[in-house]
Amino acid sequence: DTAVSQTPKYLVTQMGNDKSIKCEQNLGHDTMYWYKQDSKKFLKIMFSYNNKELIINETVPNRFSPKSPDKAHLNLHINSLELGDSAVYFCASSQDLQPNQPQHFGDGTRLSIL
Amino acid sequence: AQSVTQPDIHITVSEGASLELRCNYSYGATPYLFWYVQSPGQGLQLLLKYFSGDTLVQGIKGFEAEFKRSQSSFNLRKPSVHWSDAAEYFCAVGGTGTASKLTFGTGTRLQVTL
Repeated sequence: DTAVSQTPKYLVTQMGNDKSIKCEQNLGHDTMYWYKQDSKKFLKIMFSYNNKELIINETVPNRFSPKSPDKAHLNLHINSLELGDSAVYFCASSQDLQPNQPQHFGDGTRLSIL
Repeated sequence: AQSVTQPDIHITVSEGASLELRCNYSYGATPYLFWYVQSPGQGLQLLLKYFSGDTLVQGIKGFEAEFKRSQSSFNLRKPSVHWSDAAEYFCAVGGTGTASKLTFGTGTRLQVTL
C-alpha cells in the first residue's frame, strides 16, 4: 500500500508549457506539502495545506498554483514552465501541523524542461 | 529563522565500520529535530526524531542520534554500517506555530565500500 503517491514519476516538457503533478495520501492525514529538490539535492518547502486550507506559501512564483480538492489530495499546477523549474518535486503529508509530527514523503516527480 | 548545517557533503566508510553524520541547527526555542534518509530515486524516509525527553534517541535500521543543546547538534550514528546504508542523509529542524515547517540541511551523501 503506497502511503503518499505522486504522478507522474517523470515529466519531460518544453519551456512555456503548462503541466500538473498529482499527489494523494491514504494515511488519513490533515496536512500536505510540496517540496522542491534542486540539482544539488537541496530540499525547500514550497507550500503546505491543512484540511484544504493554504498554510505556507514560501515565496513561490505565482506560476505555481497548488490545489487541494480534499484533504487527501494536493495537486501542483505549473504555468509557463521555465528552465529553472527543472527539479524533483516531492509531496509529503503529516498527521497535522504539530511540529513533532513526522512527514511522509512520496517518491518524487522528476521534472525536466527542454 | 531556523537553519540546519550539515558540514560533510560526502562521507565514505567501509562496511562494518562505525558512522557519525554531523548536524548543527539554529533555532530560538526547543527544536524539533529529524533525520531522514533518501535512497536513489526514492522519497525521504524518517529514521528518527527528537523533541523532548531522553537526548539519545533510537531509530530504525540501527541508527541513533544524540541531541546536545550546548553544541546545537543532533549527530546521527550507527555502530556498524551495512552496504545498504549507502544513501543521502538529511537532518531537519521543525518549528512551532501555525506555519510550522521543516527546514532541511543540504544533506550528506554516504558511500559504503566493501
